Amino acid sequence: NAGVMQNPRHLVRRRGQEARLRCSPMKGHSHVYWYRQLPEEGLKFMVYLQKENIIDESGMPKERFSAEFPKEGPSILRIQQVVRGDSAAYFCASSPQNLAGGAHEQYFGPGTRLTVT
Amino acid sequence: GQQLNQSPQSMFIQEGEDVSMNCTSSSIFNTWLWYKQDPGEGPVLLIALYKAGELTSNGRLTAQFGITRKDSFLNISASIPSDVGIYFCAGVLYGNKLVFGAGTILRVKS
Repeated sequence: NAGVMQNPRHLVRRRGQEARLRCSPMKGHSHVYWYRQLPEEGLKFMVYLQKENIIDESGMPKERFSAEFPKEGPSILRIQQVVRGDSAAYFCASSPQNLAGGAHEQYFGPGTRLTVT
Repeated sequence: GQQLNQSPQSMFIQEGEDVSMNCTSSSIFNTWLWYKQDPGEGPVLLIALYKAGELTSNGRLTAQFGITRKDSFLNISASIPSDVGIYFCAGVLYGNKLVFGAGTILRVKS
């Protein structure tokens, strides 16, 4: 019963390159969330997706960042033209349904550590 | 935006001692979650709280959802070395977003 999978675990990019982070939710989960964590800080919400839909992207920078969760395949967080300030750990979480009913929690993957040189 | 104030920032305790940490907010949350994060790993869910006043246990861990819905605490009884890590509280907002506290770093002296 695999948990949330993320790859790569570590990613090094030079300034100006593109970073692609992948997330496969837990089996049976159709809701995916991306969070970002800077050293010694809590996680900050970026975006919430369901299959083929972006539900809430209020935490995502307007430029250079995009996310998708296609009908088939993993969710992708894409960062174009990376800058040093993008260096952080990016975590994906999944849940089986919207949390409005209060009945389900978010389960996190191991994260992707992005380093921009 | 909404903020969770988590305290203490760090703790250095003797093995076998009980530990207590808490989270407060100016906003009301309908769900509180407590996570533990080990270095280089993602947060692992420890306890979920859904009702004001609810007290829930998971082994040596006990957490409570404050009656005002603006706070929660986590207790760890009889701490052991593997309890080291960072503990985060998180409130569920708008039915999907999690708002995280800054974390409590727990170090145990064996």
